Amino acid sequence: RKEVEQDPGPFNVPEGATVAFNCTYSNSASQSFFWYRQDCRKEPKLLMSVYSSGNEDGRFTAQLNRASQYISLLIRDSKLSDSATYLCVVKQTGANNLFFGTGTRLTVIP
Amino acid sequence: DAGVIQSPRHEVTEMGQEVTLRCKPISGHDYLFWYRQTMMRGLELLIYFNNNVPIDDSGMPEDRFSAKMPNASFSTLKIQPSEPRDSAVYFCASSFGGALYEQYFGPGTRLTVT
Repeated sequence: RKEVEQDPGPFNVPEGATVAFNCTYSNSASQSFFWYRQDCRKEPKLLMSVYSSGNEDGRFTAQLNRASQYISLLIRDSKLSDSATYLCVVKQTGANNLFFGTGTRLTVIP
Repeated sequence: DAGVIQSPRHEVTEMGQEVTLRCKPISGHDYLFWYRQTMMRGLELLIYFNNNVPIDDSGMPEDRFSAKMPNASFSTLKIQPSEPRDSAVYFCASSFGGALYEQYFGPGTRLTVT
């Protein structure tokens, strides 16, 4: 079983739409959670960390559900520039390595 | 400050040849990570270093792969001999303070082994 699983998509949404991605992780000892964004043929870049109480950064909201071992990312008022692959990332307690999901691809359509 | 620098950006080689990928982390960062990305398997950690010392190489697929970090500003990932299944994008990333903190990725090396 993979450490982190995501729906690969693609998600094709119109500009202005709200879209949500979910991600599940297998190890209950997971400690820290992140969303990274990767543009086509570019390197991944940190989008936001995910905190236990949930957190918001502009149009982006991240939620964590430890009981069900899933993480979500909500994007409101989608922009064309949001088109990218979103990677769910998990760090386990005591480890310094990260586990990456295979990513969910989003295309925002004019 | 420049970001993580990787070279070459693209590499095409024939099966059986030696390939060396290079990485210069961000100055002051004490962790360096090597990843491989493919469509099928996504981003996989190969090995990481802390203060130039290899800490976890359990992700290195086999003995054909080796990595070194002779000093704080340089690391190499070598594949010898290369095989077509090694074709992937190889990323180097660095961070300060380990995985709790943001990892900064280089632009990657796109390797094609024919």
